Parts: sequence; structure tokens; C-alpha cells
Amino acid sequence: ELKVEQNPLFLSMQEGKNYTIYCNYSTTSDRLYWYRQDPGKSLESLFVLLSNGAVKQEGRLMASLDTKARLSTLHITAAVHDLSATYFCAVDRSSGGGADGLTFGKGTHLIIQP
Amino acid sequence: DTGVSQDPRHKITKRGQNVTFRCDPISEHNRLYWYRQTLGQGPEFLTYFQNEAQLEKSRLLSDRFSAERPKGSFSTLEIQRTEQGDSAMYLCASSLAFGQGSYGYTFGSGTRLTVV
Repeated sequence: ELKVEQNPLFLSMQEGKNYTIYCNYSTTSDRLYWYRQDPGKSLESLFVLLSNGAVKQEGRLMASLDTKARLSTLHITAAVHDLSATYFCAVDRSSGGGADGLTFGKGTHLIIQP
Repeated sequence: DTGVSQDPRHKITKRGQNVTFRCDPISEHNRLYWYRQTLGQGPEFLTYFQNEAQLEKSRLLSDRFSAERPKGSFSTLEIQRTEQGDSAMYLCASSLAFGQGSYGYTFGSGTRLTVV
């Protein structure tokens, strides 16, 4: 059974600090997805990582993928309050390369305090 | 195109009633997915379609649940004889079949179901 594990599940941090969210997965998939969800809202796509060694950055967020270690990281630089949200990583349900849906981690609930 | 649309946004129903949700995907997307998300959890896959064909159903999808995509465009998810445990956010997503020049899934705003 495909498993996606995130840690930490809950993170409270101060503005201006840096931190990293980790995502481990059990499949051999070469693709990994990061989403943001605000309370009561749907999922906003942040990054799609398509290959080993992929690194993508948008503003204060940077995501990377190591398919050999089956590990992705989401790094937050100089956090600001607006980044408070729940962050999910997800992988394709099958490693066959088709778009047959995602398996999600439990999410990391991030609170950034002034 | 305005993205993936779901209707209604909220639904409150009494236990035992039937409910139906609608999803309109991005028009050029041939794949459509349904997920369920309970409080504090990540979305869980329920089923997906390519055009009008339902390709897979999760074991989470009991026989009280049925999904259709009759013309390969919009989809409906019906829950019969609702139970309190069905209370959740139901999310729809769409995509192209990978290899058609695009990767990634676009999610709708979801339908929040409360069974009382």
C-alpha cells in the first residue's frame, strides 16, 4: 500500500524564521506535488516536481525532490504570517506514469506568529 | 475557462436522505477525480473517469455512493441513505491524461456535506 508521510504534522513558528517540512513516500514515483490549503478552502497547487533533483522556488517557498531517498522537502525562508496554512504533499497513486489520481499525506498545519 | 466548478458549496442534510453533487471540470481535461476529505486529514481518492468511463473506484466508495460522467463533461456524485460518517468535504479535480503535454491536477472549491 502506498504511504505518504509528512512531518511535522503541526508547526508553530515565528515570523522571520526558516523551517523545513519533510515528505517521505513509499512508491517509486518520479513526480511529487505540493498543495496549500487555507481553512475551509480547496487545494491550491504550489509545485509539481517532475524528476529526481528537481528544485522549484516561488517567493519564500522552495521545494526539492530526491527520488532515490523517496523524500521531498518544502523549505520556508523568512516566514511571514500569510504563509499560515496547511501544506500537503502528494504522489501519483501508481508508478506507471498515468494520471490516475493522488495519494496525500496527512498535511502539515503551519502557524506563523508575529 | 474558470477552472473546476463544484455545486453546491455547502449541503446540510438529514441522515437517511440522498444527496447529489456536481462537478464541472476544465473543459479540455479528459480525466476527472473525486476525493473525500475529513477534518484534519488529507484528501482520500474515491474514483476517477477518463471521458465517460469510470476507470477505478476506491474501496472507500461503498455501494451507497455512485458517480457518473455521462457525456464525458460534468460529473455527479450521489450518496444514498446518508450517514453521519459521510460528513466531509468532497473535492473534485481534473487533469489531462499524462503525456498529453501537461502534468498536475486542478481542484475545485469542494462541497462541504454535513449530515445531521
